[in-house]
Amino acid sequence: GDSVTQMEGPVTLSEEAFLTINCTYTATGYPSLFWYVQYPGEGLQLLLKATKADDKGSNKGFEATYRKETTSFHLEKGSVQVSDSAVYFCALLMYNNNDMRFGAGTRLTVKP
Amino acid sequence: DVKVTQSSRYLVKRTGEKVFLECVQDMDHENMFWYRQDPGLGLRLIYFSYDVKMKEKGDIPEGYSVSREKKERFSLILESASTNQTSMYLCATRANLNYEQYFGPGTRLTVT
Repeated sequence: GDSVTQMEGPVTLSEEAFLTINCTYTATGYPSLFWYVQYPGEGLQLLLKATKADDKGSNKGFEATYRKETTSFHLEKGSVQVSDSAVYFCALLMYNNNDMRFGAGTRLTVKP
Repeated sequence: DVKVTQSSRYLVKRTGEKVFLECVQDMDHENMFWYRQDPGLGLRLIYFSYDVKMKEKGDIPEGYSVSREKKERFSLILESASTNQTSMYLCATRANLNYEQYFGPGTRLTVT
C-alpha cells in the first residue's frame, strides 16, 4: 500500500544551522505530498505541499521539492530558529482517496 | 479560518469505562477523521466519515466506534477503555476536492 518513510529523530541543531529532514514515499500512482508541523501541545498544521512532480512547496523559510525519480520530498531550511522546534510529519494523499498517509514524525530541537 | 475543536485536552479514565471524544468543525467540511498518535508510529487512522451517518474503518478500528449525526460533529467512542488505548487522539477535517487537512489540538487520553 501507499506509505511514507521519514528519517528518524530526534534531530538537534544549533540556531542558524541548515536543516534537512528526509522523506521518501511508496505509491502506486502520483500522490500529492505534504509536510505538517506539530508545535508542543498543539495539533498538526500544514507547513507546505506539492501536488505534482517537480513542484516546490515553500513556507516560513522551509522548502521541499517533489522528486518523482527518487520518490522523495525532503524538507530543508537554510537557517533554523529556536521557534522551529517541533515535530515534522511527511504525508501523502492519493487523488480520489480519503486516506492521508503520514510518516512517523521527526522531532527537531533547535538550541540557542 | 477553519476551527476544529475537541471536547477535552486531557482525559483520565479507568479500564472498562465508556469514553466519548467529540470533535466539532465550523467550516462545513464533508470529511472528518479520527487518528491516534503514538511515539515512533506517527498518525494512524482509526475511522473516517465522508458524510453524515457515513463511516469507514481506518487501519486500527478495533475497540473503537464512531458517530456522525450532524455534519459538523464527529464522535469517537471507546466502548470499554483499555490501557493500550492510552494515546493522543487527533481529529481532522477536509473538504472534498481540497488537499489540506485541518487538525484539532488533540486529546491526551490516559486509561488507568
